[in-house]
Amino acid sequence: RKEVEQDPGPFNVPEGATVAFNCTYSNSASQSFFWYRQDCRKEPKLLMSVYSSGNEDGRFTAQLNRASQYISLLIRDSKLSDSATYLCVVNPGTGGFKTIFGAGTRLFVKA
Amino acid sequence: GAGVSQSPSNKVTEKGKDVELRCDPISGHTALYWYRQSLGQGLEFLIYFQGNSAPDKSGLPSDRFSAERTGGSVSTLTIQRTQQEDSAVYLCASSRSQGIRHPEGYTFGSGTRLTVV
Repeated sequence: RKEVEQDPGPFNVPEGATVAFNCTYSNSASQSFFWYRQDCRKEPKLLMSVYSSGNEDGRFTAQLNRASQYISLLIRDSKLSDSATYLCVVNPGTGGFKTIFGAGTRLFVKA
Repeated sequence: GAGVSQSPSNKVTEKGKDVELRCDPISGHTALYWYRQSLGQGLEFLIYFQGNSAPDKSGLPSDRFSAERTGGSVSTLTIQRTQQEDSAVYLCASSRSQGIRHPEGYTFGSGTRLTVV
């Protein structure tokens, strides 16, 4: 089993749609979780952190389910500009383990 | 500087030559990662530095790859006797201490696009 797994997609959705991505992780001791966004031929950039209580930033909502070891990203009212690859990132925190980046989920929002 | 700086931004080299890629992390960031990304692929972990600890080199694909980090700041990734399959974007990222929860996560440089011809 991969340490961090994501559905590679692509997800093709119309503008205005709601879309959700999940990401599962194998290390139950993981402490920090993030969603990154990567545009074509650009470096990944932090989209949002994922807290135990869940967090929301405008049209984006991130949630953490420790019992089932997954995090989710929900995008409401999709925009053309949301088209990108979304990377799930898991940080074990301590113990010398490295941060793991998922391979990403590709999203295409169509007019 | 305000961000992670990588140089050169583009490098074209002949097969068999050695190349050095440089990463200048955000000041005060103790964790530094090197990744590479081939066209259309995900991030491939190469090496991780954390403070003065021994680096995690488990992702280096062969002994032609090496990296060092001097003074806990600037890092250099060296690829010896480059091969065509080494062509990729090499990304560096840095962060504050690994062991502390930090909402800002990791900051990436804009990468070095390496082409081996």
